[in-house]
Amino acid sequence: LAKTTQPISMDSYEGQEVNITCSHNNIATNDYITWYQQFPSQGPRFIIQGYKTKVTNEVASLFIPADRKSSTLSLPRVSLSDTAVYYCLVGMDTGRRALTFGSGTRLQVQP
Amino acid sequence: NAGVTQTPKFQVLKTGQSMTLQCAQDMNHNSMYWYRQDPGMGLRLIYYSASEGTTDKGEVPNGYNVSRLNKREFSLRLESAAPSQTSVYFCASSEVEGVVTDTQYFGPGTRLTVL
Repeated sequence: LAKTTQPISMDSYEGQEVNITCSHNNIATNDYITWYQQFPSQGPRFIIQGYKTKVTNEVASLFIPADRKSSTLSLPRVSLSDTAVYYCLVGMDTGRRALTFGSGTRLQVQP
Repeated sequence: NAGVTQTPKFQVLKTGQSMTLQCAQDMNHNSMYWYRQDPGMGLRLIYYSASEGTTDKGEVPNGYNVSRLNKREFSLRLESAAPSQTSVYFCASSEVEGVVTDTQYFGPGTRLTVL
């Protein structure tokens, strides 16, 4: 899997848009970019996945530039309940291995 | 559907004791995984089972054994617990083995403390 680099932590206020950028300089041609969210005392939860350009769902948007060496998870109008750790994963078919989680980005949303 | 369930939720062991963590999924998934998460860290893969009847080592398998009892259940056993195994253990499942594009579904975790 491609190595990823994310900020360790971010702070925001309720109602703001939050953008978390992940760097993955050695992404391979067939690699997808996947984001998971983990609330305190819970297991990670899939948020969004993309290959190129922009993907949007009911939770977030994922922006991927043409060179795909980075990606940005965008959370619109965050609330206190968005306080969590966000993990960026890059890869495709890993054969007989599974997901590799880094340390993630700890997002703290304040009132 | 309950998704992925884990028992117990909490456990305290003394060094040298043994125990089995249970995991079950009701989504008819082929693949199941065990991860551990140490404080402030990401998840690390212990063992996984690509399909019923197969198991393989992950990143940190030492001190653990697993059993894929059937398609639904995947257990993790600590034969002789050590303080270094104090962690939160997550079980996960996915429909297709080893493909990052396939979503993994996680259980609520088991918080294990070894004294």
